[in-house]
Amino acid sequence: AQKVTQAQTEISVVEKEDVTLDCVYETRDTTYYLFWYKQPPSGELVFLIRRNSFDEQNEISGRYSWNFQKSTSSFNFTITASQVVDSAVYFCALSEGRDDKIIFGKGTRLHILP
Amino acid sequence: ETGVTQSPTHLIKTRGQQVTLRCSSQSGHNTVSWYQQALGQGPQFIFQYYREEENGRGNFPPRFSGLQFPNYSSELNVNALELDDSALYLCASSLPGTLNYEQYFGPGTRLTVT
Repeated sequence: AQKVTQAQTEISVVEKEDVTLDCVYETRDTTYYLFWYKQPPSGELVFLIRRNSFDEQNEISGRYSWNFQKSTSSFNFTITASQVVDSAVYFCALSEGRDDKIIFGKGTRLHILP
Repeated sequence: ETGVTQSPTHLIKTRGQQVTLRCSSQSGHNTVSWYQQALGQGPQFIFQYYREEENGRGNFPPRFSGLQFPNYSSELNVNALELDDSALYLCASSLPGTLNYEQYFGPGTRLTVT
């Protein structure tokens, strides 16, 4: 069965601190995709990053970085030097290779305090 | 490139009524997925349409139905509305099979059932 767990319901950090959002996933497929989306108060889901199951290389994109570890089924997301505009709900999500539907976690509400 | 648009933005309906929500996909995208996001939860997959045919369905009752038109725009219809149908309804368009495809989400329609 597919499942995405975001154990952190809500996080508050002071501006300029680094923050890591945790994500653990479950899937029986060997081919799958992992995503992070951001949902600001406006409600629109904003795509941030995607990795496929065959590429565990961790990268940095601007202030965003991610740590994908298949051995622990984790796909954690880090924002470096956080800014107030980063305040939003962040969703980790999973899509299996055989279909196009996306399974979302329950989200982590991130507050960046000035 | 035109983004995903949804209408209406907000809607208030009474229990037992029927509602139709609309989505215009991003230019060139032939696949539309619909998601329901209850307050404080992650989006849940309702169904997907590919080239005017249903192509996968989540755990939603038959009173949730949809259509996709030749121009790839889509409708979500919900009959016999229940209070629990109150949620943000998101549609996403995509072009599966393309390298590094992703789903682009619209701003959503917030439905309140009283």
